[in-house]
Amino acid sequence: QKEVEQDPGPLSVPEGAIVSLNCTYSNSAFQYFMWYRQYSRKGPELLMYTYSSGNKEDGRFTAQVDKSSKYISLFIRDSQPSDSATYLCAMSGFQKLVFGTGTRLLVSP
Amino acid sequence: DTAVSQTPKYLVTQMGNDKSIKCEQNLGHDTMYWYKQDSKKFLKIMFSYNNKELIINETVPNRFSPKSPDKAHLNLHINSLELGDSAVYFCASSQVSDLLSPTAKNIQYFGAGTRLSVL
Repeated sequence: QKEVEQDPGPLSVPEGAIVSLNCTYSNSAFQYFMWYRQYSRKGPELLMYTYSSGNKEDGRFTAQVDKSSKYISLFIRDSQPSDSATYLCAMSGFQKLVFGTGTRLLVSP
Repeated sequence: DTAVSQTPKYLVTQMGNDKSIKCEQNLGHDTMYWYKQDSKKFLKIMFSYNNKELIINETVPNRFSPKSPDKAHLNLHINSLELGDSAVYFCASSQVSDLLSPTAKNIQYFGAGTRLSVL
């Protein structure tokens, strides 16, 4: 079993939709959680990071962590075509990040 | 000014050759990383250096040898290239390497990647 599981998609939504991206993990030692966005042929860029269970909001993005269920989510409100990218969750564990495989999101105008 | 830059952007080479990828960061960070992203987009850590010292060395063939001449540079040399080495290699850096501490100092900044194709 992989340490971090993420549906690769693609997830296709119309512009303006609310998008929900999720990851599950198996290692309870993970301390904090990140979401990276990767455009085609670019490096990953950090969107958000959270430490404790609960929600964290930044503009149209909300990150949610449920440590008891080992489940994290990223919600995107009012999605835009420019949000089309691959979204990777990442979790910290003892000096290294463990990444999910990424979910490819396509937002159509 | 690009924060984390790697060269070359594309590398096409024959099996058996030796090649190097260079990485430089101008963020003043202490820690640098090499990641491999395969065709399924899975991003996996290979090496990590903190202030020129190797701190992470994942299960990677010893044909891969990282070298850090100073804390702003981390190069990756690959000997005897194989077909399975074809992937995108990303360099990254962070201010510190203590990923148990939830601060912005741990944020990793990635380069644009080097797309390696071994024929």
